Amino acid sequence: QKEVEQNSGPLSVPEGAIASLNCTYSDRGSQSFFWYRQYSGKSPELIMFIYSNGDKEDGRFTAQLNKASQYVSLLIRDSQPSDSATYLCAVKAGTALIFGKGTTLSVSS
Amino acid sequence: DTGVSQNPRHKITKRGQNVTFRCDPISEHNRLYWYRQTLGQGPEFLTYFQNEAQLEKSRLLSDRFSAERPKGSFSTLEIQRTEQGDSAMYLCASSLGPQGGYEQYFGPGTRLTVT
Repeated sequence: QKEVEQNSGPLSVPEGAIASLNCTYSDRGSQSFFWYRQYSGKSPELIMFIYSNGDKEDGRFTAQLNKASQYVSLLIRDSQPSDSATYLCAVKAGTALIFGKGTTLSVSS
Repeated sequence: DTGVSQNPRHKITKRGQNVTFRCDPISEHNRLYWYRQTLGQGPEFLTYFQNEAQLEKSRLLSDRFSAERPKGSFSTLEIQRTEQGDSAMYLCASSLGPQGGYEQYFGPGTRLTVT
């Protein structure tokens, strides 16, 4: 059974701080990793993907991948109240994505 | 660039009725996926199409569920004899495939409520 684990949160950070979201996965052969943002009542929105070990940066977002530790993280710099949402980690398994349950982030102004 | 669209956005039905949902993927995407999401959970994979061929089905997709993608463009997901446990958000996603990347983009979803 391939699994993706995330802390459900909530993770609370003040405006302007760095939010760090973490994800572990069970399938050592996984190659592709995705972060989605989901606002309440809305569908998931793809915000980052990473396929190679190391860091990938896009604006205020940085995805970090450590395949040896089977660990993926998402850093959000200069967090804004509009970043308050549930962040879903997903791992590609065959053609499908396996999702964690998501971490709820709350950014206070 | 038009995103993935889904219709209807909301559906309320009585137990035992049949329902059908439609998904229109991003135009150049040849892969289409259906997922189901319940409250507090991440999306769960249901089935996947490469063009018009249905290549993979999850064990979550019981005999009451059927999906089609007749001309490799839009797709429909039908649930027969709905049960209260079918209440969920049904999400459609599309991707280019291996030549263009594995990133899947979701539509707005269809929220099904079975009473």
